Amino acid sequence: ETGVTQSPTHLIKTRGQQVTLRCSSQSGHNTVSWYQQALGQGPQFIFQYYREEENGRGNFPPRFSGLQFPNYSSELNVNALELDDSALYLCASSFWGLASSYEQYFGPGTRLTVT
Amino acid sequence: AQSVTQPDIHITVSEGASLELRCNYSYGATPYLFWYVQSPGQGLQLLLKYFSGDTLVQGIKGFEAEFKRSQSSFNLRKPSVHWSDAAEYFCAVGFTHGSSNTGKLIFGQGTTLQVKP
Repeated sequence: ETGVTQSPTHLIKTRGQQVTLRCSSQSGHNTVSWYQQALGQGPQFIFQYYREEENGRGNFPPRFSGLQFPNYSSELNVNALELDDSALYLCASSFWGLASSYEQYFGPGTRLTVT
Repeated sequence: AQSVTQPDIHITVSEGASLELRCNYSYGATPYLFWYVQSPGQGLQLLLKYFSGDTLVQGIKGFEAEFKRSQSSFNLRKPSVHWSDAAEYFCAVGFTHGSSNTGKLIFGQGTTLQVKP
C-alpha cells in the first residue's frame, strides 16, 4: 500500500509570487484534503476535493485554490504569496463517505517559506 | 462555533509511567473523533478513531482513548510510555451537517509530550 506523498519537500518563495504544491493520494483513496499548519499550531483546513470538485472549504481567501485529477492526485495553488503564508502544508487522503471522508491519512508535508 | 481544546500545552512524564492527554470539544451532536501524532518536521500519523459504538477504542502503538459524551471529551491514554513516544499529539474532530460532510477536521492546539529517562 502506497502512502500519501507530497512534493516538493521544501520551497522558498518571495512575497507576491505564486506557488503550486503537489500531492498523490494513498492507494484506494479518492478524496484529498489540504491543511495549513503554522509553527506551533494545529493544522487548519483549507479545502477538500472529491470527483475533481471542491467539496468543502475552510476560512481561506480565494487566492488559495486547488485541483484534483482523474487519478485522485491534487494540487494546491497559492497566488500573491504573503509572509503569513509561511507554513507546513499538509495533504491528506481518505475514502469518500459520510464518516470515512474524515478518516484522513496525511503526507509528510511541504514546508513553504515566504520572504 | 465548533471548537476543540487540548488544555495541556506541554506534558512531561517519566519513561514507564502512564499517560493521559486531554481533549474536549464543543458541538451539539456526537462528532467523529481522532488522535494524531506528529514527530518534528513530519506529517501526522493517525493513532486511533471513534465513529460510534464502544466508547473505549484501541489504536496503534499501545494507545487507547475513551469517548465520554457527558463530558464532551476524548482523552488519550497509554499505560506505559516509551522514550520514542515523545512527540506532538493532536486531537481532531470532524463535524457533519445533516447528511452532508465537508471533510473538515478541526484540530486542537496540540500537546507536546516529553519523556524523561
